[in-house]
Amino acid sequence: DAEITQSPRHKITETGRQVTLACHQTWNHNNMFWYRQDLGHGLRLIHYSYGVQDTNKGEVSDGYSVSRSNTEDLPLTLESAASSQTSVYFCASRAGAGGFNEQFFGPGTRLTVL
Amino acid sequence: QQQVKQSPQSLIVQKGGISIINCAYENTAFDYFPWYQQFPGKGPALLIAIRPDVSEKKEGRFTISFNKSAKQFSLHIMDSQPGDSATYFCAATSNNAGNMLTFGGGTRLMVKP
Repeated sequence: DAEITQSPRHKITETGRQVTLACHQTWNHNNMFWYRQDLGHGLRLIHYSYGVQDTNKGEVSDGYSVSRSNTEDLPLTLESAASSQTSVYFCASRAGAGGFNEQFFGPGTRLTVL
Repeated sequence: QQQVKQSPQSLIVQKGGISIINCAYENTAFDYFPWYQQFPGKGPALLIAIRPDVSEKKEGRFTISFNKSAKQFSLHIMDSQPGDSATYFCAATSNNAGNMLTFGGGTRLMVKP
């Protein structure tokens, strides 16, 4: 069955370190997204991609970057981790460009920055 | 700026009762309103969705009520069960707003047996 996976599931790091969170989907979806989830804020969009070599900033992109070298993967990098980036991170994908297309979410990565 | 406001933040309902979660939006260009359900340790999953050309959509025990003039929509869970205990997110999007989902803040529902 097609799926979307994230790794690691849990990560503890120190302030200032570079961290990369992996996202891999086997749906062959062109559209991929990264969100962060914080209590009271719901899910906020960090970055998104409509296809290979395409990346775009979302609502809360400062301090984060992504790259898209193939259809299956969209890694999220925190260039210099900050305590404010402690959160749960979700990757998602969808088949089409329209907002009405269902987004499929990964299981999440809980990141703690000390 | 929170374009989709969701209430309440948490909700406790007895088994068999009705759970009601409300959302209000500001952007009149939104034209698709999904609800996502998230169980602990899992990612959100699409539960039910509605377009503004209808006032209600029902799927089993789950119903979305939509009030376009008030810019509000709500999720009703009839005969709530302990297995419905989860966090629920409303969302909104538009083909004219970059097709991005704007999420509400979430409601943590607990259904007591």
